[in-house]
Amino acid sequence: RKEVEQDPGPFNVPEGATVAFNCTYSNSASQSFFWYRQDCRKEPKLLMSVYSSGNEDGRFTAQLNRASQYISLLIRDSKLSDSATYLCVVNVALSARQLTFGSGTQLTVLP
Amino acid sequence: DAGITQSPRHKVTETGTPVTLRCHQTENHRYMYWYRQDPGHGLRLIHYSYGVKDTDKGEVSDGYSVSRSKTEDFLLTLESATSSQTSVYFCAISDPFPRTGGRDTEAFFGQGTRLTVV
Repeated sequence: RKEVEQDPGPFNVPEGATVAFNCTYSNSASQSFFWYRQDCRKEPKLLMSVYSSGNEDGRFTAQLNRASQYISLLIRDSKLSDSATYLCVVNVALSARQLTFGSGTQLTVLP
Repeated sequence: DAGITQSPRHKVTETGTPVTLRCHQTENHRYMYWYRQDPGHGLRLIHYSYGVKDTDKGEVSDGYSVSRSKTEDFLLTLESATSSQTSVYFCAISDPFPRTGGRDTEAFFGQGTRLTVV
């Protein structure tokens, strides 16, 4: 079983739609959680950290469920510019700072 | 953008030859990482470093070695390149305990090196 698993995708949604991605992690000792965004042939960039209480940044909402060991990302009012691959990232060993990445979910927002 | 550069950006090499990729940072971050990215696998950690001369293996370290003789440089060497090492390689930096205090900092990535082994 992979340490971090994401929805397989791809997701093709119309502009203005709401889309949600889920991610599960296997190590209950995981400390930190993130969503990264990666545009085609570019480097990943931090989209947002995920906190226990849930957090929101504009149209993006991230939530963490430690009991069920999953995190989610909700995108409201999708824009064409949201088209990208979204990577779920978990830090499974605080002292070693090893970020473990999911394989990513591809989102295409259609006009 | 964080000061992190990778070189070369593209390289084609022959099977069996050694190859060295360089990652250079100007942020004075303690941690540096090398990942490879392949379709269907996401980013997989090859090696990482938590300080000068302090390195450790990641999940896909076979066939790779690293060195960090200075804070700013982290080198990845493919000792004898194979076609299975054709990939996009990303370097990343982070500092888990920022000297200025506060919570974990994010990881910043270089622009990637596209390596083809023929």
